[in-house]
Amino acid sequence: DTAVSQTPKYLVTQMGNDKSIKCEQNLGHDTMYWYKQDSKKFLKIMFSYNNKELIINETVPNRFSPKSPDKAHLNLHINSLELGDSAVYFCASSQELYQPQHFGDGTRLSIL
Amino acid sequence: GENVEQHPSTLSVQEGDSAVIKCTYSDSASNYFPWYKQELGKGPQLIIDIRSNVGEKKDQRIAVTLNKTAKHFSLHITETQPEDSAVYFCAATATGNQFYFGTGTSLTVIP
Repeated sequence: DTAVSQTPKYLVTQMGNDKSIKCEQNLGHDTMYWYKQDSKKFLKIMFSYNNKELIINETVPNRFSPKSPDKAHLNLHINSLELGDSAVYFCASSQELYQPQHFGDGTRLSIL
Repeated sequence: GENVEQHPSTLSVQEGDSAVIKCTYSDSASNYFPWYKQELGKGPQLIIDIRSNVGEKKDQRIAVTLNKTAKHFSLHITETQPEDSAVYFCAATATGNQFYFGTGTSLTVIP
């Protein structure tokens, strides 16, 4: 069983479109995260979601909005996609906030 | 906030040799230091971690050392194998804070 699963694995779309990435974890963890990995492999946290509390990285544009229907799911919605949004987006989860994290296999987003 | 530097950015070793990756951190409050391995097309996977009350930890062929005074920690892989080829990330965090990742080291083990 996959512990943290993301869909889709690949997402190719045009500039200006709106898209969503879904994430589900079956580990029973309380906390979920979204990370962005750029072309140089640099990993940067975007959001942490812990027990219905959203912690936002202030450098993330407000075109990005996380939505958590329940503790096991954290989706990422992106409005008005820009070329600079091209990256791999990773979902992760941990038992408690900022404890050892389990990562999904990523969603590669390409903006044409 | 924390600043984590990682070196080298690329590393090639012959199969059977050892590999060492080094990281430095800036925040003396950091007390947890995990290492992640990222294989091609996969997400980072935790391989070993160390807390600030321990100087060294070993798990089979991998070990991590921590020097709190100098604010640096290192990953050691002995008897490297081709399946060790991947990108390795260090990270540092203080209790209740986010993880700050290093910039990654691409390790290639040459058969």
